[in-house]
Amino acid sequence: AQTVTQSQPEMSVQEAETVTLSCTYDTSESDYYLFWYKQPPSRQMILVIRQEAYKQQNATENRFSVNFQKAAKSFSLKISDSQLGDAAMYFCAYRRSPNTGKLIFGQGTTLQVKP
Amino acid sequence: DAGVIQSPRHEVTEMGQEVTLRCKPISGHNSLFWYRQTMMRGLELLIYFNNNVPIDDSGMPEDRFSAKMPNASFSTLKIQPSEPRDSAVYFCASSSRTSPLHFGNGTRLTVT
Repeated sequence: AQTVTQSQPEMSVQEAETVTLSCTYDTSESDYYLFWYKQPPSRQMILVIRQEAYKQQNATENRFSVNFQKAAKSFSLKISDSQLGDAAMYFCAYRRSPNTGKLIFGQGTTLQVKP
Repeated sequence: DAGVIQSPRHEVTEMGQEVTLRCKPISGHNSLFWYRQTMMRGLELLIYFNNNVPIDDSGMPEDRFSAKMPNASFSTLKIQPSEPRDSAVYFCASSSRTSPLHFGNGTRLTVT
């Protein structure tokens, strides 16, 4: 069975600094998708970024980028130039290709941004 | 598109009462998911449908929980009878083969 692990329950970063959230996963599949979702206090689940396992190039969305290490089964999220609005819980998630099937979530990391 | 629409946003009920949560997925999405979020257990998948057919209901905690998808634009999650330990936020999400999961705003259920 696939599992997703986020080993950092809480992280903090100074405004304008960079922070990296860690995620590891376990799967026997060779093709799959990985995601980072953001959940602010409003509880809305917002897709931040996604990565296809067959792509070697790391995904980037503005200030958000990932470091995808397929062999190590690692998928970390880097937030550059952190803003107060980035404060939220962040979930790493896995989904078996071909982009169907259930989304499996990690436990989440709460990110605090200090002014 | 209005996104995934869930109702009600909040529900407070007494133990033993029946609770029905509703979801309208994004038009054109053929997969629908019900998740439950609690502090202790995080985000758990309860059940998901493909083309209105339940594919995996292994996460449904017990027989008190049931879910239906009578058509492509509507799904319900019912709890009968409800218990205090069912208190949680329940999310509905939908997706298609070309789009990732999009979540509704969730229903916060409180059972007293």
